[in-house]
Amino acid sequence: SAVISQKPSRDICQRGTSLTIQCQVDSQVTMMFWYRQQPGQSLTLIATANQGSEATYESGFVIDKFPISRPNLTFSTLTVSNMSPEDSSIYLCSATGGTGGLIGYTFGSGTRLTVV
Amino acid sequence: GNSVTQMEGPVTLSEEAFLTINCTYTATGYPSLFWYVQYPGEGLQLLLKATKADDKGSNKGFEATYRKETTSFHLEKGSVQVSDSAVYFCALVPAGGGADGLTFGKGTHLIIQP
Repeated sequence: SAVISQKPSRDICQRGTSLTIQCQVDSQVTMMFWYRQQPGQSLTLIATANQGSEATYESGFVIDKFPISRPNLTFSTLTVSNMSPEDSSIYLCSATGGTGGLIGYTFGSGTRLTVV
Repeated sequence: GNSVTQMEGPVTLSEEAFLTINCTYTATGYPSLFWYVQYPGEGLQLLLKATKADDKGSNKGFEATYRKETTSFHLEKGSVQVSDSAVYFCALVPAGGGADGLTFGKGTHLIIQP
């Protein structure tokens, strides 16, 4: 089955800076998604990363804060911009709809972000 | 809109006990339903899924049956082990929702004591 690699796995960042998280799938996939998991909470969908067009953001999330790229069918990035301590979370990418044997929605191992 | 409701945790059981984690959903039509597991310090792993009414998903001794009449997808295991200690998430994607992300419940923290 397909594998999703996400990096960095964790980072500690200064407030006001930005961090770009990378998500690589080992086969082509139709849909890629980015989620946030705040401490002790469930997962909230940030946006759907569309290949060849702008990402589709969920209510409460905006492109200026969370710019997303999807340059091809195997790769996406999420940037967390102008970070504050409230952005401390686990960020996960997910993918579905591919030729690599994906079953349901597969997730990367997540990026644990701490903003100080 | 779509929503998933799970029983509140933590749920603490002794090893070899029977497990039920309740999950109900709100969605139009026939969504696909999933259970994911998150072990400490790790990402999410798909545990099982069901895509139509009366389907039973099963994996690693866990089972869940898609009940349209009660809009439920309760997770069960006959005999839990310490290694089953984790957070369990129930989730759905709308019918025909190939372009939609998952809607998750709040998660149930399961603790199995030896």
